[in-house]
Amino acid sequence: NAGVTQTPKFQVLKTGQSMTLQCAQDMNHNSMYWYRQDPGMGLRLIYYSASEGTTDKGEVPNGYNVSRLNKREFSLRLESAAPSQTSVYFCASTLELAVNEQFFGPGTRLTVL
Amino acid sequence: GENVEQHPSTLSVQEGDSAVIKCTYSDSASNYFPWYKQELGKRPQLIIDIRSNVGEKKDQRIAVTLNKTAKHFSLHITETQPEDSAVYFCASTGNQFYFGTGTSLTVIP
Repeated sequence: NAGVTQTPKFQVLKTGQSMTLQCAQDMNHNSMYWYRQDPGMGLRLIYYSASEGTTDKGEVPNGYNVSRLNKREFSLRLESAAPSQTSVYFCASTLELAVNEQFFGPGTRLTVL
Repeated sequence: GENVEQHPSTLSVQEGDSAVIKCTYSDSASNYFPWYKQELGKRPQLIIDIRSNVGEKKDQRIAVTLNKTAKHFSLHITETQPEDSAVYFCASTGNQFYFGTGTSLTVIP
């Protein structure tokens, strides 16, 4: 039982490049989330998916897109990376939306030059 | 949307003393209040949570209290140990999780 996994662990991009962060969970959870974590700002929600087939914007969605590929997988795409998107990105999942323990992935440290 | 405020942002205590972290929230419909611990370079992990129909919950050295009328909840760590040093986040939930900005706790041996 791997829990929540994320790839890659580290990534360096140049401004304007695109990339997709992958997330998968094997706990049969319905809801999945993408956060970014910046120093002194806690965890800010980018997008979430309450269940397979649905996605909704969180607090900071600009510059990002998401895909809930199936119940297990939830990907985050940066179409044209900017230095302001330098951050640590965490994927998380819960059994149901916002009412259960949230399990986090190990994080992706992204640097945009 | 919901607004969660967390205080203090940094906290230093001597080993064996108690630590208290406080959070306030704005949405009266919030009904689930988890606390997460994040060690340096690691992912956040749940340490305790409380639901709106409960006023207090304890798990060994950790306790959480909730005052729904005043819209605040607190984390209490007793007999602190060096391994308690970490960043702690509170959160409240409506249709999503809203996190506080974190408290960096240092336990001095």
